[in-house]
Amino acid sequence: AQSVTQLGSHVSVSEGALVLLRCNYSSSVPPYLFWYVQYPNQGLQLLLKYTSAATLVKGINDFEAEFKKSETSFHLTKPSAHMSDAAEYFCAVSNMDSNYQLIWGAGTKLIIKP
Amino acid sequence: GAGVSQSPSNKVTEKGKDVELRCDPISGHTALYWYRQSLGQGLEFLIYFQGNSAPDKSGLPSDRFSAERTGESVSTLTIQRTQQEDSAVYLCASRSLFAYEQYFGPGTRLTVT
Repeated sequence: AQSVTQLGSHVSVSEGALVLLRCNYSSSVPPYLFWYVQYPNQGLQLLLKYTSAATLVKGINDFEAEFKKSETSFHLTKPSAHMSDAAEYFCAVSNMDSNYQLIWGAGTKLIIKP
Repeated sequence: GAGVSQSPSNKVTEKGKDVELRCDPISGHTALYWYRQSLGQGLEFLIYFQGNSAPDKSGLPSDRFSAERTGESVSTLTIQRTQQEDSAVYLCASRSLFAYEQYFGPGTRLTVT
């Protein structure tokens, strides 16, 4: 069985500050991990993915995430927040045995303070 | 190229009526998924199609829910005798056979009154 925990339903940072959104996963098989972003009243957009190649993965809009197997974590970071980053962020896990169906975290709403 | 499209974007229906939601996947994507996003339950998997294989229906919440897909093209999700708890955003995603990531459509917001 797989599960995802996102710490913090809301995270607030100042414009220009570091963004850190936490994601921990549980998986009995090698996982594939994803971060998606959802802007208000829109669908889900893929930010980045980990698929067992490099452990540090870079995505769109200067986001990156590091897969740490020992900590079962896949935290999302961005060096400098922009007002346009305000959205909800979802971490998800999948694996081959379950047809790559996505198991989702509860989401973290990122608030950017001017 | 064109992304995943869904229709309608919004649907308001009366309790007890049937509704049909449509998804057009990215051309060439053999895998198609339906998810539901609701305030109380978050994002949940509903059903998975892969080519001509039998679908994985393990996420469907009740027998009022069904879905079809013709080959590797359009899929329809049907909810019979809608209930208020069916109110949610229904998201469709597609995936290429040799890729791991899914691409999502904009969703259909279903409101049952």
